[in-house]
Amino acid sequence: KAGVTQTPRYLIKTRGQQVTLSCSPISGHRSVSWYQQTPGQGLQFLFEYFSETQRNKGNFPGRFSGRQFSNSRSEMNVSTLELGDSALYLCASSIPGPRGNEQYFGPGTRLTVT
Amino acid sequence: AQSVTQLGSHVSVSEGALVLLRCNYSSSVPPYLFWYVQYPNQGLQLLLKYTTGATLVKGINGFEAEFKKSETSFHLTKPSAHMSDAAEYFCAPHRAGNNRKLIWGLGTSLAVNP
Repeated sequence: KAGVTQTPRYLIKTRGQQVTLSCSPISGHRSVSWYQQTPGQGLQFLFEYFSETQRNKGNFPGRFSGRQFSNSRSEMNVSTLELGDSALYLCASSIPGPRGNEQYFGPGTRLTVT
Repeated sequence: AQSVTQLGSHVSVSEGALVLLRCNYSSSVPPYLFWYVQYPNQGLQLLLKYTTGATLVKGINGFEAEFKKSETSFHLTKPSAHMSDAAEYFCAPHRAGNNRKLIWGLGTSLAVNP
């Protein structure tokens, strides 16, 4: 079974621009979560989508948005990029269950904002 | 609010020595607990998890962790470190229920010296 894929793997953008990141979950996984990882802050939860609906949301400004398509693929968009948005963005897919939410991570998209 | 503390952002051991990475969580309700590992330039990978039952959990690559309710701890150990164990390790307690967000520790970077 193919793992979680994320595109692109690396991205360089200029402050003020916007960016869209893509995540394809493992086949059969309907839940997709997004995280921002930075050296000082660790993993910060952005949002989770399940069956095309945002189910949970972290404490990020409205510049960060996402969506999920009917095939469970998800995109994340960041508008009006700031230098502080430079980070590794990780996507994880899962099959939600009653005993915890084991997540399978993609390799991430490294975003650099200059 | 639930939180997790990983004691020691950087741990260094010699090859062949015991690895001990500490994780303490705060919760009035015993959560489900996960340890993930992140190798350089990769996403996170599940090492092991505790849901219910036996409190000593064995994972991949010779790692194990013991859930101690009285100490609210879930420390990760490995009897003999290998060079390939050098990575970032994350502890994530998880509360069952409708709100299934994982709460992440800041991570512990493990260095293994020859």
